Amino acid sequence: EVQLVESGGGLVQPGGSLRLSCAVSEFTVSSNYISWVRQAPGKGLEWVSVIFSDGSTYYADSVKGRLTISRDISKNTVYLQMNSLRAEDTALYYCARAGTVGVRAFDIWGQGTMVTVSS
Amino acid sequence: QSALTQPPSASGSPGQSVTISCTGTNSDIGGYSYVSWYQQHPGKAPKLMIYEVTKRPSGVPDRFSGSKSGNTASLTVSGLQAEDEADYHCSSYAGSDNPYVVFGGGTKLTVL
Repeated sequence: EVQLVESGGGLVQPGGSLRLSCAVSEFTVSSNYISWVRQAPGKGLEWVSVIFSDGSTYYADSVKGRLTISRDISKNTVYLQMNSLRAEDTALYYCARAGTVGVRAFDIWGQGTMVTVSS
Repeated sequence: QSALTQPPSASGSPGQSVTISCTGTNSDIGGYSYVSWYQQHPGKAPKLMIYEVTKRPSGVPDRFSGSKSGNTASLTVSGLQAEDEADYHCSSYAGSDNPYVVFGGGTKLTVL
């Protein structure tokens, strides 16, 4: 079954760090675009970052310099390293596949992993 | 504040049609035909319903349709069913110098 499974969320203090993982099944991270999208409690969706099949990466201005997306092709997994976390980073973080169905459309989503930044 | 503007709520009775709007600018919705719509039930991940303004992924009922006029995109749900009650989010490409996509704030659709 084609799926993405996130893990690594939790409670962290402001200024702290966390690494999220997105394990991919039935397709390869090396041939697809994988994005992170977050949703603060009771709010809409916000695009965070994307890693393209060629390994290039892009970020939302709100996270640039603090969050880093990467991948391990051997593990077929995408990561989001989160540093210098702020209260406003509190959200459910989804990984999603993009670029397979249409332009800039996310056709497969994980179930999400919750990140709470609080003292 | 979201880049795209959606009404916070919409409603309709079973069997009726309802249209949800998503308003942007010339730099996103008005400039490109890359609008997507997602359905999200409580506690669940979003599901792609419409891409590239009017196209439906395999498995999405043809009761769901998309359109665009100027800077406003719309999602129409015809023949409303109870299971259509969910949040709906729009997104759009906004050019290579902007975020990968921009999203709307979401619309809660209630089936009365």
